Amino acid sequence: EVQLVESGGGLVQPGRSLKLSCAASGFTFSNYGMHWIRQAPTKGLEWVASISPSGGSTYYRDSVKGRFTISRDNAKSTLYLQMDSLRSEDTATYYCATLSLFDYWGQGVMVTVSS
Amino acid sequence: DIQMTQSPPSLSASLGDKVTITCQASQNINKYIAWYQQKPGKAPGLLIHYTSTLVSGIPSRFSGSGSGRDYSFSISNVESEDIASYYCLQYDNSWTFGGGTKLELK
Repeated sequence: EVQLVESGGGLVQPGRSLKLSCAASGFTFSNYGMHWIRQAPTKGLEWVASISPSGGSTYYRDSVKGRFTISRDNAKSTLYLQMDSLRSEDTATYYCATLSLFDYWGQGVMVTVSS
Repeated sequence: DIQMTQSPPSLSASLGDKVTITCQASQNINKYIAWYQQKPGKAPGLLIHYTSTLVSGIPSRFSGSGSGRDYSFSISNVESEDIASYYCLQYDNSWTFGGGTKLELK
């Protein structure tokens, strides 16, 4: 059974950092590009960042470039999102997902940026 | 960056109706559009990819069409289990979601 399990969310003050993890199982993690997507409370889906299967290529939405870093450890089948200089507008549920025909999403993890 | 304009933001339908949602891209996306369904408190699920290809197990009352910049998604014979939010996603150049459409029962 394919599973994606996010962790690392919580309440953080503006300007601080947080690192999300997404543990994958049930498929060959190293064969798939991976993505982070977020959803602010009562709002729509927003693509955040992506990484190629090898980790050699990364992509970010403009509003997080220079603040967020996506990475992966294929040996551990784990995806990461390092979030620095957090802002109130980063408050959202963050999902990891495969975003392909082989489409799987985690259950999401909540990040709240507030003083 | 490619922008995706999805309409309408909300839709009210009766059981058995046909409903249509549209997404317009800011540039040609070469049919690389997918459609997702999201129910409250749940992660989204893929319904259609590459404009019109139905994912295995998805009922045939769901359909998609389009080309160039303009795409549509339809549900014929709306059922109660279809009450959800729907999103388009372009994956031709990076990834961009549409703003979403909330489908409600009239």
